[in-house]
Amino acid sequence: DGGITQSPKYLFRKEGQNVTLSCEQNLNHDAMYWYRQDPGQGLRLIYYSQIVNDFQKGDIAEGYSVSREKKESFPLTVTSAQKNPTAFYLCASSIDRELEQYFGPGTRLTVT
Amino acid sequence: DAKTTQPNSMESNEEEPVHLPCNHSTISGTDYIHWYRQLPSQGPEYVIHGLTSNVNNRMASLAIAEDRKSSTLILHRATLRDAAVYYCILDIQGGKLIFGQGTELSVKP
Repeated sequence: DGGITQSPKYLFRKEGQNVTLSCEQNLNHDAMYWYRQDPGQGLRLIYYSQIVNDFQKGDIAEGYSVSREKKESFPLTVTSAQKNPTAFYLCASSIDRELEQYFGPGTRLTVT
Repeated sequence: DAKTTQPNSMESNEEEPVHLPCNHSTISGTDYIHWYRQLPSQGPEYVIHGLTSNVNNRMASLAIAEDRKSSTLILHRATLRDAAVYYCILDIQGGKLIFGQGTELSVKP
């Protein structure tokens, strides 16, 4: 089955800790994206990557970091510098940046 | 930022057509119009996209106004599984999607 997976589904952390969210795709897509969604709101772009070893900041990149060492993987680290990290995080991929994006099931992060 | 305006919510009856409107008066000539939908606690699902001409696929139709300042997503026969939040999005930088708050569609049996 081809698809995009995110793990874990729920994640709990204490304030001040860095946490890394996993995103893997076996669709052979070049472009990958990370979004954040807060309750009752639309998605906001955190980072995106069009090819391996390259990525760009989205609208709300502060307090986050990413890497793209492999085509299949685009992990997101939520650092302690992110002031309001509790949110629903969604990863997506697309064949290239101009075509439709396929979303993973999301990771709900709670920081207390 | 290129912005879209949608009604907060709409209701439909099962097996009837649904027309979901979207205004995007600041659209520029190269911006694609995308529609996605999202069920609670799930990732969004692509529905359809277009540039100037009307588009049809197995899920829906997209009608784009001649001046491109508005568009309408058409679900030809709503089912209970179509109940979701529908997002009308402008793709302004080739893949950089800007989501608004969307329209919450409820479908009554």
